[in-house]
Amino acid sequence: ETGVTQTPRHLVMGMTNKKSLKCEQHLGHNAMYWYKQSAKKPLELMFVYSLEERVENNSVPSRFSPECPNSSHLFLHLHTLQPEDSALYLCASSHDETGRVGYTFGSGTRLTVV
Amino acid sequence: AQSVAQPEDQVNVAEGNPLTVKCTYSVSGNPYLFWYVQYPNRGLQFLLKYITGDNLVKGSYGFEAEFNKSQTSFHLKKPSALVSDSALYFCAVRFSGSARQLTFGSGTQLTVLP
Repeated sequence: ETGVTQTPRHLVMGMTNKKSLKCEQHLGHNAMYWYKQSAKKPLELMFVYSLEERVENNSVPSRFSPECPNSSHLFLHLHTLQPEDSALYLCASSHDETGRVGYTFGSGTRLTVV
Repeated sequence: AQSVAQPEDQVNVAEGNPLTVKCTYSVSGNPYLFWYVQYPNRGLQFLLKYITGDNLVKGSYGFEAEFNKSQTSFHLKKPSALVSDSALYFCAVRFSGSARQLTFGSGTQLTVLP
């Protein structure tokens, strides 16, 4: 375990469903991130939160909605997804938003949209 | 434009032989450089980083990387490969003065053959 826990590990959802991904860390980190990993593509940064405030949104479609209720928890709410949204969604945290000491990643949620 | 590249999608090496996984970057400043490893169905795990100082950085599991400013490279190396080193390796760069994210390469699949 890295200290960053993601649930569920696997998720299959229809295009009309609403679901949420959860990320939790108790490392005392102040910044949290959502990344999308698709096969043979660079990791795509989706959202950055620092001290519970969203500080970056990399042109992500509105069908993805993040929520950071406190510095230990990060959610990604999903609705009306498309099959091309199927991917591994990775959560990461870092000491602060500068990322100087690197990130700690969770194991990811494997999402399949049918 | 600032970028990071891993020119090889796949690297194969025989067990016991030295391995190299390549990473180059393009930046107009002093970058922070990282290597991460990803095993199947897992998140990324930190291997090593270069921030400043000695150009040769030693990390986990016997890996090391050399920062070469003139060639803008940060190749990952190991003197003697193990079958258990087989995984997906990501180079990441945080460009000084940029916003809050690491930029990842597209990954290199390393296969160590017994």
